[in-house]
Amino acid sequence: KQEVTQIPAALSVPEGENLVLNCSFTDSAIYNLQWFRQDPGKGLTSLLLIQSSQREQTSGRLNASLDKSSGRSTLYIAASQPGDSATYLCAVIGSNDYKLSFGAGTTVTVRA
Amino acid sequence: EPEVTQTPSHQVTQMGQEVILRCVPISNHLYFYWYRQILGQKVEFLVSFYNNEISEKSEIFDDQFSVERPDGSNFTLKIRSTKLEDSAMYFCASSGAGGPSDTQYFGPGTRLTVL
Repeated sequence: KQEVTQIPAALSVPEGENLVLNCSFTDSAIYNLQWFRQDPGKGLTSLLLIQSSQREQTSGRLNASLDKSSGRSTLYIAASQPGDSATYLCAVIGSNDYKLSFGAGTTVTVRA
Repeated sequence: EPEVTQTPSHQVTQMGQEVILRCVPISNHLYFYWYRQILGQKVEFLVSFYNNEISEKSEIFDDQFSVERPDGSNFTLKIRSTKLEDSAMYFCASSGAGGPSDTQYFGPGTRLTVL
């Protein structure tokens, strides 16, 4: 069974600092990996999707890397802003199924 | 930008009652999903649906749950006899023709409270 772990569980940084969020998964047979943002009491917003054949994906200030063989992904957020405060979730799809397996998330607070 | 919508945003029900949660996926998507998130816990997969049938379901998705696409736009989750432990946020998601290789887009969720 796929297990997804996110470290740290919470992170507080001053505005302007770069954020590094880590995700690990136990079964490297994945189809892709998705990073989501979740605001309190709200739905999930997709940030980036990395296919299993890719090493990284970029969107604006966000960059996600994937090392499938070691079961790791990292989400980098450059020059953090207070509006980046949210919970960031990592999720993988196994290569044999259609379901996303989620980590518990990293809750980020960016202090103004 | 197209988005997944869900109704109601909040549903309160008595234990043992039936509830139907409704979703309108993105119009040209072919794969549909339900997930749930119990307060303070991980988002959990419930079921995936493609070509008018269930393609995968989790162990959570037992006989009290069912899904249906009653028309060309709606996708519903029915819980037949609710239990206290069914209280959670329920998210609908959809993805395009690429199936698992495509991004899954999530709705805002329905908060179900079972009393």
